[in-house]
Amino acid sequence: GENVEQHPSTLSVQEGDSAVIKCTYSDSASNYFPWYKQELGKGPQLIIDIRSNVGEKKDQRIAVTLNKTAKHFSLHITETQPEDSAVYFCAASLGTGGFKTIFGAGTRLFVKA
Amino acid sequence: SAVISQKPSRDICQRGTSLTIQCQVDSQVTMMFWYRQQPGQSLTLIATANQGSEATYESGFVIDKFPISRPNLTFSTLTVSNMSPEDSSIYLCSADTRGQGAETQYFGPGTRLLVL
Repeated sequence: GENVEQHPSTLSVQEGDSAVIKCTYSDSASNYFPWYKQELGKGPQLIIDIRSNVGEKKDQRIAVTLNKTAKHFSLHITETQPEDSAVYFCAASLGTGGFKTIFGAGTRLFVKA
Repeated sequence: SAVISQKPSRDICQRGTSLTIQCQVDSQVTMMFWYRQQPGQSLTLIATANQGSEATYESGFVIDKFPISRPNLTFSTLTVSNMSPEDSSIYLCSADTRGQGAETQYFGPGTRLLVL
């Protein structure tokens, strides 16, 4: 079955710097890769996703890149702000059929003001 | 998109009792899921709640312990039965919008359960 590894587990950056979180997946059939942000006491919120027919997607300060050959994808947050502090989860799924989403272990991001 | 609400938001329960968590989606969705999240951990899928049929459980989770209902396309319940302190966790309801223009999965705010 699918396995998703996420690094780093903890990331601390200065406000205004960029943050990068990396994930690898094992099932080459996976074709949908969402990223979730979870703030303390809340459920995960979808912040951006990418499908296998696209190599990069951007939404304001966040971007995601996908390398299907290497089976890895990354989240990039530019100009970080204190409100970006949260736990971020990457995930992978087949997108169709059984639609089972496999989550990474999470990255705790601290943005220092 | 889909907006998901859960009740209760948190509860403290005694060992041996059961708790039913309700999940309501603001639109009809094909698939609903129940996850468990231990503090500081990732999300573990408990089961997929299928409308009109029995839920599909993941390895390590059984229907007797976590019975699930899915009476319609906007509502589901998860019961945590005969609770023990090991059941203390966050329980998350999720829904996907497959077949509605995008295959996107959304989450509710979670139910924080403490078993004494």
